Amino acid sequence: GESVGLHLPTLSVQEGDNSIINCAYSNSASDYFIWYKQESGKGPQFIIDIRSNMDKRQGQRVTVLLNKTVKHLSLQIAATQPGDSAVYFCAENKIQGGKLIFGQGTELSVKP
Amino acid sequence: KAGVTQTPRYLIKTRGQQVTLSCSPISGHRSVSWYQQTPGQGLQFLFEYFSETQRNKGNFPGRFSGRQFSNSRSEMNVSTLELGDSALYLCASSLSMDTQYFGPGTRLTVL
Repeated sequence: GESVGLHLPTLSVQEGDNSIINCAYSNSASDYFIWYKQESGKGPQFIIDIRSNMDKRQGQRVTVLLNKTVKHLSLQIAATQPGDSAVYFCAENKIQGGKLIFGQGTELSVKP
Repeated sequence: KAGVTQTPRYLIKTRGQQVTLSCSPISGHRSVSWYQQTPGQGLQFLFEYFSETQRNKGNFPGRFSGRQFSNSRSEMNVSTLELGDSALYLCASSLSMDTQYFGPGTRLTVL
């Protein structure tokens, strides 16, 4: 069946270091991928997205890489800050589709 | 522009009761999706509405239903509540049917 999974359930980094959160997906038909950040007691917050016709997209301190050959997605956070501590989810979708398939989530902990 | 709002934020019900949750999308957004989040199952898609029509449906029993009004506001209903329905229910709205923006969720506890 369709699934989007994360390699690591927890990730601990030192403040100022770069963080890399990984995600594997299994549905080759998915053409749109999104990363969300969820803080305790809040709903998921959109971080960055990428379409399948791209392999890299950059935002403010974040970069998403898409490797369609191995069906792998990653989120890189530069100069990680304590405020980045949260659970990060990858999700996949079909463009103009309303159904997101979420991965399990990775909890990022930033040590000061 | 105001974000997605959900009411109520917290709800406590007992088994067998029913519950209605409400979601107001971002102004101009016509697509509304609902998700259930639990520690064991993660985020799971319930259904999606667009222009008052259910366009996608997840693998949940018929006790879970929803609707969308002409102003794009949406409600979801869960009948005959079970203990396992305790969860955070999230609503997300979309303009382009790609990027979904989430509300804060409704925390439902079934006793």
